[in-house]
Amino acid sequence: AQKITQTQPGMFVQEKEAVTLDCTYDTSDPSYGLFWYKQPSSGEMIFLIYQGSYDQQNATEGRYSLNFQKARKSANLVISASQLGDSAMYFCAMREDPMAGANNLFFGTGTRLTVIP
Amino acid sequence: EPEVTQTPSHQVTQMGQEVILRCVPISNHLYFYWYRQILGQKVEFLVSFYNNEISEKSEIFDDQFSVERPDGSNFTLKIRSTKLEDSAMYFCASSRTLTSGRTGFGGEQFFGPGTRLTVL
Repeated sequence: AQKITQTQPGMFVQEKEAVTLDCTYDTSDPSYGLFWYKQPSSGEMIFLIYQGSYDQQNATEGRYSLNFQKARKSANLVISASQLGDSAMYFCAMREDPMAGANNLFFGTGTRLTVIP
Repeated sequence: EPEVTQTPSHQVTQMGQEVILRCVPISNHLYFYWYRQILGQKVEFLVSFYNNEISEKSEIFDDQFSVERPDGSNFTLKIRSTKLEDSAMYFCASSRTLTSGRTGFGGEQFFGPGTRLTVL
C-alpha cells in the first residue's frame, strides 16, 4: 500500500488566488511527521512546511499552510496568494516515528502546479 | 544560510563503471541520507547514516551501493558497477536531529541540489 497518495498530477491556479494540493497518508504509527517539499524546474528540493502528528494546530509558514485532518489522514497544502514563482512540482512526504527506527521520508508522486498570470 | 552541497551536478558514465557521488552535509547535522528520483517519478529513499554506520536502507540499496563518511565533512555514495536503470537524480539530505510527532519540529531533512547521473 502506498504510504503517501497525491491524486492530482497537475493543477492550475490564477495568480493571486489560493490553491489546495491534496495529500493523504497511510500509517499505523501514532507518531509521525508530514512534510511538503517544492521542486522547481531546476531540480532542487526545497522544504516548505512540517506538521507533527500530535500538533494541535495546523502548521503555517508564510503563504503556506497545512490543512491537517488526522481522522481522515489528510495533510493538504494550501498556498495563498499564488505567485508565478510558485510554479513547480510539490511533494508530500511522511516520516514515521524515528524513535522506532524509521527516519527516512516516504514521498508521494507529486503535483505539478502551474500559476497562470 | 548553511546548505547541503553536492558534486558533481551532472555525471555521465558508461554502464559497468564505478561512480562516486559526493555530498557535504550541513556542518552541525548528525543524520545523513541518500535519495534518488528517476526522471518523472517520485523521490525514493536509499539509505540513512548516523554515527558512522548505516541506520536504515531500502530494497533499492543493494550490494552495488555503499556509503561512507571519509572525513568530518564529506558523505559519499558509491555505485560499484552502474546499470542503465541507475540513471536518476541523486539527492543527499541531512538533518540535525530526529523528531517524533510529539516533540515537533527539529528533524527536518535539508536536501542538496542533486546530482544527475546518466548511465550510457
